[in-house]
Amino acid sequence: DAMVIQNPRYQVTQFGKPVTLSCSQTLNHNVMYWYQQKSSQAPKLLFHYYDKDFNNEADTPDNFQSRRPNTSFCFLDIRSPGLGDAAMYLCATSRVPGTSGLGEQFFGPGTRLTVL
Amino acid sequence: AQSVTQPDIHITVSEGASLELRCNYSYGATPYLFWYVQSPGQGLQLLLKYFSGDTLVQGIKGFEAEFKRSQSSFNLRKPSVHWSDAAEYFCAVGATDGQNFVFGPGTRLSVLP
Repeated sequence: DAMVIQNPRYQVTQFGKPVTLSCSQTLNHNVMYWYQQKSSQAPKLLFHYYDKDFNNEADTPDNFQSRRPNTSFCFLDIRSPGLGDAAMYLCATSRVPGTSGLGEQFFGPGTRLTVL
Repeated sequence: AQSVTQPDIHITVSEGASLELRCNYSYGATPYLFWYVQSPGQGLQLLLKYFSGDTLVQGIKGFEAEFKRSQSSFNLRKPSVHWSDAAEYFCAVGATDGQNFVFGPGTRLSVLP
Protein backbone atom coordinates (compact mmCIF):
# COMPACT_ATOMS: atom_id res chain seq x y z
CA ASP A 1 0.00 0.00 0.00
CA ALA A 2 1.14 3.50 -0.79
CA MET A 3 1.93 5.30 2.41
CA VAL A 4 3.88 7.77 4.49
CA ILE A 5 6.40 6.25 6.87
CA GLN A 6 8.09 7.93 9.79
CA ASN A 7 11.05 6.62 11.69
CA PRO A 8 11.52 6.24 14.50
CA ARG A 9 8.08 6.29 16.12
CA TYR A 10 9.60 7.32 19.42
CA GLN A 11 12.81 9.29 19.83
CA VAL A 12 14.50 10.27 23.06
CA THR A 13 17.29 12.81 23.00
CA GLN A 14 19.17 14.92 25.48
CA PHE A 15 18.92 18.65 25.86
CA GLY A 16 21.14 20.21 23.19
CA LYS A 17 21.96 16.95 21.40
CA PRO A 18 21.14 17.10 17.66
CA VAL A 19 18.46 14.76 16.43
CA THR A 20 17.15 13.79 13.00
CA LEU A 21 13.69 12.52 12.23
CA SER A 22 12.96 10.69 9.02
CA CYS A 23 10.01 10.58 6.65
CA SER A 24 9.58 8.56 3.48
CA GLN A 25 6.69 8.19 1.08
CA THR A 26 5.66 5.76 -1.62
CA LEU A 27 2.90 8.04 -2.96
CA ASN A 28 5.19 9.95 -5.31
CA HIS A 29 3.72 13.22 -4.10
CA ASN A 30 5.58 16.38 -4.94
CA VAL A 31 4.81 18.26 -1.74
CA MET A 32 6.09 17.18 1.68
CA TYR A 33 5.37 18.88 5.00
CA TRP A 34 6.67 18.81 8.55
CA TYR A 35 4.35 19.69 11.41
CA GLN A 36 4.92 20.02 15.12
CA GLN A 37 2.02 19.04 17.34
CA LYS A 38 1.91 19.55 21.08
CA SER A 39 -0.62 17.98 23.37
CA SER A 40 -4.24 18.98 22.71
CA GLN A 41 -3.23 21.39 19.94
CA ALA A 42 -3.61 21.48 16.19
CA PRO A 43 -0.59 20.60 14.08
CA LYS A 44 1.66 23.59 13.48
CA LEU A 45 3.34 23.77 10.09
CA LEU A 46 7.11 24.15 10.33
CA PHE A 47 8.00 24.06 6.62
CA HIS A 48 7.27 22.28 3.39
CA TYR A 49 8.92 21.32 0.15
CA TYR A 50 7.30 21.78 -3.22
CA ASP A 51 9.52 19.44 -5.19
CA LYS A 52 12.97 20.79 -4.30
CA ASP A 53 11.76 24.25 -3.34
CA PHE A 54 11.95 24.79 0.40
CA ASN A 55 9.31 26.95 2.08
CA ASN A 56 9.91 27.96 5.67
CA GLU A 57 7.14 29.29 7.89
CA ALA A 58 7.98 32.72 9.24
CA ASP A 59 7.81 31.67 12.88
CA THR A 60 9.74 28.41 12.59
CA PRO A 61 12.83 28.67 14.81
CA ASP A 62 16.25 28.46 13.17
CA ASN A 63 16.89 25.44 15.36
CA PHE A 64 14.74 23.45 12.94
CA GLN A 65 16.13 22.52 9.54
CA SER A 66 15.01 20.18 6.81
CA ARG A 67 16.48 18.26 3.92
CA ARG A 68 14.83 16.57 0.98
CA PRO A 69 17.45 14.59 -0.94
CA ASN A 70 14.92 13.07 -3.34
CA THR A 71 11.17 12.81 -3.94
CA SER A 72 10.71 9.98 -1.48
CA PHE A 73 12.59 11.19 1.57
CA CYS A 74 12.47 14.21 3.82
CA PHE A 75 14.35 14.79 7.08
CA LEU A 76 13.77 17.07 10.02
CA ASP A 77 16.91 18.14 11.86
CA ILE A 78 16.71 19.73 15.28
CA ARG A 79 20.13 21.19 15.90
CA SER A 80 19.92 21.84 19.63
CA PRO A 81 16.71 20.45 21.10
CA GLY A 82 15.27 22.27 24.06
CA LEU A 83 12.68 21.03 26.51
CA GLY A 84 10.08 23.04 24.61
CA ASP A 85 10.72 21.00 21.47
CA ALA A 86 9.27 17.87 23.00
CA ALA A 87 6.26 17.12 20.82
CA MET A 88 4.81 14.87 18.15
CA TYR A 89 6.33 15.54 14.74
CA LEU A 90 4.12 14.74 11.79
CA CYS A 91 5.16 14.34 8.20
CA ALA A 92 2.59 14.73 5.44
CA THR A 93 2.53 14.64 1.65
CA SER A 94 0.21 15.94 -1.02
CA ARG A 95 -0.22 16.64 -4.70
CA VAL A 96 -1.16 20.01 -6.07
CA PRO A 97 -4.97 20.19 -6.51
CA GLY A 98 -6.15 19.26 -9.93
CA THR A 99 -3.42 16.81 -10.79
CA SER A 100 -5.06 14.16 -8.69
CA GLY A 101 -7.45 14.94 -5.86
CA LEU A 102 -7.96 18.17 -3.99
CA GLY A 103 -4.54 18.61 -2.48
CA GLU A 104 -5.46 16.59 0.55
CA GLN A 105 -2.57 15.74 2.82
CA PHE A 106 -1.63 12.21 3.74
CA PHE A 107 -0.03 11.86 7.14
CA GLY A 108 2.47 9.50 8.62
CA PRO A 109 1.97 8.07 12.12
CA GLY A 110 4.25 10.66 13.68
CA THR A 111 7.42 10.59 15.77
CA ARG A 112 7.06 11.33 19.46
CA LEU A 113 10.14 13.28 20.58
CA THR A 114 11.16 13.36 24.23
CA VAL A 115 13.89 15.73 25.39
CA LEU A 116 15.64 14.87 28.65
CA ALA B 1 -5.08 33.90 3.65
CA GLN B 2 -7.57 31.37 4.81
CA SER B 3 -8.59 30.62 8.40
CA VAL B 4 -10.65 27.99 10.17
CA THR B 5 -12.59 28.02 13.42
CA GLN B 6 -14.06 25.10 15.30
CA PRO B 7 -16.24 26.62 18.00
CA ASP B 8 -16.45 23.50 20.16
CA ILE B 9 -13.28 22.52 21.98
CA HIS B 10 -14.78 19.39 23.52
CA ILE B 11 -18.01 17.53 22.87
CA THR B 12 -19.38 14.54 24.76
CA VAL B 13 -22.09 12.33 23.30
CA SER B 14 -23.57 9.00 24.25
CA GLU B 15 -22.91 5.99 22.10
CA GLY B 16 -25.65 5.68 19.49
CA ALA B 17 -26.48 9.37 19.57
CA SER B 18 -26.10 11.64 16.58
CA LEU B 19 -23.15 13.98 16.21
CA GLU B 20 -22.47 17.32 14.58
CA LEU B 21 -19.09 19.03 14.73
CA ARG B 22 -18.98 22.60 13.56
CA CYS B 23 -16.46 24.19 11.25
CA ASN B 24 -16.41 27.72 9.86
CA TYR B 25 -13.87 28.96 7.37
CA SER B 26 -12.72 32.19 5.85
CA TYR B 27 -11.27 32.23 2.36
CA GLY B 28 -11.57 34.63 -0.53
CA ALA B 29 -11.96 32.02 -3.22
CA THR B 30 -13.72 28.70 -3.41
CA PRO B 31 -12.10 26.62 -0.70
CA TYR B 32 -10.90 23.09 -0.61
CA LEU B 33 -12.35 21.68 2.60
CA PHE B 34 -11.34 18.64 4.61
CA TRP B 35 -12.09 16.82 7.81
CA TYR B 36 -9.43 14.74 9.53
CA VAL B 37 -9.58 12.49 12.58
CA GLN B 38 -6.71 11.80 14.95
CA SER B 39 -6.70 9.03 17.52
CA PRO B 40 -4.34 9.43 20.49
CA GLY B 41 -0.71 9.03 19.53
CA GLN B 42 -1.51 8.62 15.84
CA GLY B 43 -1.26 10.64 12.68
CA LEU B 44 -4.21 12.32 11.01
CA GLN B 45 -6.57 10.34 8.82
CA LEU B 46 -8.66 11.95 6.10
CA LEU B 47 -12.39 11.47 6.65
CA LEU B 48 -13.73 13.40 3.67
CA LYS B 49 -13.07 16.27 1.31
CA TYR B 50 -14.99 18.82 -0.74
CA PHE B 51 -14.39 21.32 -3.48
CA SER B 52 -17.39 21.39 -5.74
CA GLY B 53 -20.49 19.48 -6.71
CA ASP B 54 -23.04 18.03 -4.32
CA THR B 55 -22.79 19.98 -1.09
CA LEU B 56 -23.39 16.86 1.00
CA VAL B 57 -20.24 14.78 1.01
CA GLN B 58 -19.93 11.21 2.20
CA GLY B 59 -16.77 10.03 3.88
CA ILE B 60 -15.33 7.02 5.57
CA LYS B 61 -16.53 5.49 8.84
CA GLY B 62 -20.11 6.66 8.24
CA PHE B 63 -19.31 10.38 8.40
CA GLU B 64 -20.76 13.04 6.15
CA ALA B 65 -20.32 16.79 5.89
CA GLU B 66 -22.40 19.54 4.40
CA PHE B 67 -20.96 22.60 2.71
CA LYS B 68 -23.00 25.78 3.16
CA ARG B 69 -21.48 28.67 1.26
CA SER B 70 -23.87 31.23 2.73
CA GLN B 71 -22.73 30.33 6.24
CA SER B 72 -19.09 29.61 5.37
CA SER B 73 -19.53 26.32 7.14
CA PHE B 74 -18.56 22.71 6.59
CA ASN B 75 -20.07 20.78 9.49
CA LEU B 76 -19.32 17.13 10.09
CA ARG B 77 -22.13 14.74 11.02
CA LYS B 78 -22.68 11.15 11.95
CA PRO B 79 -26.13 9.69 12.64
CA SER B 80 -25.02 7.18 15.27
CA VAL B 81 -21.73 7.48 17.13
CA HIS B 82 -19.66 4.45 18.11
CA TRP B 83 -17.27 4.32 21.07
CA SER B 84 -14.39 4.00 18.60
CA ASP B 85 -15.20 7.47 17.23
CA ALA B 86 -13.72 9.07 20.34
CA ALA B 87 -10.83 11.12 18.96
CA GLU B 88 -9.74 14.61 17.95
CA TYR B 89 -11.34 16.03 14.82
CA PHE B 90 -9.74 18.71 12.69
CA CYS B 91 -11.33 20.76 9.95
CA ALA B 92 -8.93 22.14 7.35
CA VAL B 93 -8.97 24.54 4.44
CA GLY B 94 -6.68 24.27 1.47
CA ALA B 95 -5.78 26.97 -1.01
CA THR B 96 -5.82 26.52 -4.76
CA ASP B 97 -2.02 26.51 -4.91
CA GLY B 98 -2.02 23.25 -3.02
CA GLN B 99 0.58 24.43 -0.56
CA ASN B 100 -1.24 26.60 1.96
CA PHE B 101 -3.21 24.33 4.21
CA VAL B 102 -4.75 25.63 7.44
CA PHE B 103 -6.09 23.48 10.26
CA GLY B 104 -8.72 24.46 12.75
CA PRO B 105 -7.92 24.12 16.46
CA GLY B 106 -9.71 20.78 16.69
CA THR B 107 -12.68 19.37 18.56
CA ARG B 108 -12.16 16.56 21.02
CA LEU B 109 -14.98 14.01 20.96
CA SER B 110 -15.70 11.85 23.98
CA VAL B 111 -18.23 9.02 23.74
CA LEU B 112 -20.11 7.76 26.80
CA PRO B 113 -21.06 4.08 26.92
